[in-house]
Amino acid sequence: KQEVTQIPAALSVPEGENLVLNCSFTDSAIYNLQWFRQDPGKGLTSLLLIQSSQREQTSGRLNASLDKSSGRSTLYIAASQPGDSATYLCAVGRGGGADGLTFGKGTHLIIQP
Amino acid sequence: GAVVSQHPSWVICKSGTSVKIECRSLDFQATTMFWYRQFPKQSLMLMATSNEGSKATYEQGVEKDKFLINHASLTLSTLTVTSAHPEDSSFYICSGYGQGKNIQYFGAGTRLSVL
Repeated sequence: KQEVTQIPAALSVPEGENLVLNCSFTDSAIYNLQWFRQDPGKGLTSLLLIQSSQREQTSGRLNASLDKSSGRSTLYIAASQPGDSATYLCAVGRGGGADGLTFGKGTHLIIQP
Repeated sequence: GAVVSQHPSWVICKSGTSVKIECRSLDFQATTMFWYRQFPKQSLMLMATSNEGSKATYEQGVEKDKFLINHASLTLSTLTVTSAHPEDSSFYICSGYGQGKNIQYFGAGTRLSVL
């Protein structure tokens, strides 16, 4: 059974810092890995999608890497801003897009102004 | 992106009553819809997968007679929590996946509180 772990569970840093969120998964036979943002009272926003054949994806100040063989992914946030405050979720897909996702518990991030 | 609308966003009900949650794909046809739930300080867990016009497939440990899922059209799926009890209090969220899409699109979620 796939298990996804995210470290740290919570993080509070001053504005402007670069930071790294970690995600690990137990079964390396994944189809893809996604990073989401979850804001209170709102749904999930997909930030980055990495297919199993890819090593990284970038979008603006966000960069996600994937090391499938070691079961790890990192989300790098550059020059953090207060608007980045949210819970960040890592999820792995076991098949194509039509299969359910397995989520980690998330990292609750607070960026101090 | 694509939009999935989920209603209601918050519901409080008495123990023993049934609650229906709707999930609509507004600008695409969702051939597959997923239902997840999240207990406090826990991860989102997949409850069931439903394909339009077919019976839902439930994950192990999820009672299919308690959590009734209907996916009768390509734009609407409903989850009915029958005879809800306090232990069913949770955050329920749906997602849709359809042709031409490579990811699931999530609704805003429903927070259910059973008194």
